[in-house]
Amino acid sequence: AQSVTQPDIHITVSEGASLELRCNYSYGATPYLFWYVQSPGQGLQLLLKYFSGDTLVQGIKGFEAEFKRSQSSFNLRKPSVHWSDAAEYFCAVGPNSGGYQKVTFGTGTKLQVIP
Amino acid sequence: GAVVSQHPSWVICKSGTSVKIECRSLDFQATTMFWYRQFPKKSLMLMATSNEGSKATYEQGVEKDKFLINHASLTLSTLTVTSAHPEDSSFYICSRGGDTEAFFGQGTRLTVV
Repeated sequence: AQSVTQPDIHITVSEGASLELRCNYSYGATPYLFWYVQSPGQGLQLLLKYFSGDTLVQGIKGFEAEFKRSQSSFNLRKPSVHWSDAAEYFCAVGPNSGGYQKVTFGTGTKLQVIP
Repeated sequence: GAVVSQHPSWVICKSGTSVKIECRSLDFQATTMFWYRQFPKKSLMLMATSNEGSKATYEQGVEKDKFLINHASLTLSTLTVTSAHPEDSSFYICSRGGDTEAFFGQGTRLTVV
């Protein structure tokens, strides 16, 4: 069965500092990988996704993520965090066949940004 | 713009009453939609797969009589929380699949008092 692990429940960074959120997945083949952001009281917004090809993917809001097959990881990064980035971030995995359907989420990482 | 619309965004109901949450696919006829529940400080857990014209498929541990799902048309799936209790208070979110990603509704915050 597929699973996603986000080892950091809560992270605090200073505004302007760099950010890396960790994500490890377990899947039988190469999955589709996603990062979503959820602001307080809001739904989910897709930041970026990886299907194949270049292992470094660029997303919205200045985020990027790198797929490392050898480490089964898909860590999210941002070079300079803004206060508006404070939110909860979810890594997710989906099957890579038959079109896109169900998603399995990690437990989420809550990001706090301090001035 | 949003391709999945969920309504209401939040609802407060009395214990013992039922609440219906609607999920609409705005740009695509979806034969399958998904319902997730987010427990406080936890991840989103898939509750069930909503199938147009047939019964929903529930994940293990989800009470099908408590969480009624109806997918009567290709653009609308509804989740009804029956005889709601305070422990049903949660954030519920729906989605539909696409070719390369899932599209999520805005979510519904249910509070049972």
